Amino acid sequence: EVQLVESGGGLVQPGGSLRLSCAASGFTFSSYWMSWVRQAPGKGLEWVANINQDGSEKYYVDSMKGRFTISRDNAENSLYLQVNSLRAEDTAVYYCARERGGRGAVAGTFDYWGQGTLVTVSS
Amino acid sequence: DIVMTQTPLSSPVTLGQPASISCRSSQSLVHSDGNTYLSWFQQRPGQPPRLLIYKISNRFSGVPDRFSGSGAGTDFTLKISRVEAEDVGVYYCMQATQFPRTFGQGTKVEIK
Repeated sequence: EVQLVESGGGLVQPGGSLRLSCAASGFTFSSYWMSWVRQAPGKGLEWVANINQDGSEKYYVDSMKGRFTISRDNAENSLYLQVNSLRAEDTAVYYCARERGGRGAVAGTFDYWGQGTLVTVSS
Repeated sequence: DIVMTQTPLSSPVTLGQPASISCRSSQSLVHSDGNTYLSWFQQRPGQPPRLLIYKISNRFSGVPDRFSGSGAGTDFTLKISRVEAEDVGVYYCMQATQFPRTFGQGTKVEIK
């Protein structure tokens, strides 16, 4: 059974940083592109970033480029998102999602999602 | 960025009756490879999104056949043939034809 379990969220002050993690199991993690998607409270879904199988290709939505860094450790079956210079508008549940059939930052879809980890940016 | 517009935003439905959600994109979603990367997701209350349909009309593993997708170009539809209580939630369309992948604003399906 495919499982994705996020952790690392919490309350952080504006300008602060967090490292989000996603532990994958039930599939060959190193064979898949992976993404982060976020959802502000009561709002819709927003794709954040993705990374290829060996971590050599990464794509980010423009508004987060430079502040967010996606990475992975295939030996640990883990995906990460380093989030810096946090703003109130970054408050959201952050989901990791497995990609299916994608090529780079286009095509495909997200076939499995984790339960998400909540990041709250507030003073 | 491609803008995805869903209608209606809210859909009260009687149990056992059909429901239909429309999704319109600001540009054609036909990719240069000939595929159309339009997906539908269901998000039940308090749950993460769940893939229902990919590439317009392909039902994902385990998705009941009362869910169907159709459309082409810029206009797409998700239909639920007979709504059940477990179908309550918010439904999102998503395009992956052009960078960045973008979602519709969501349609809330609730029971009348």
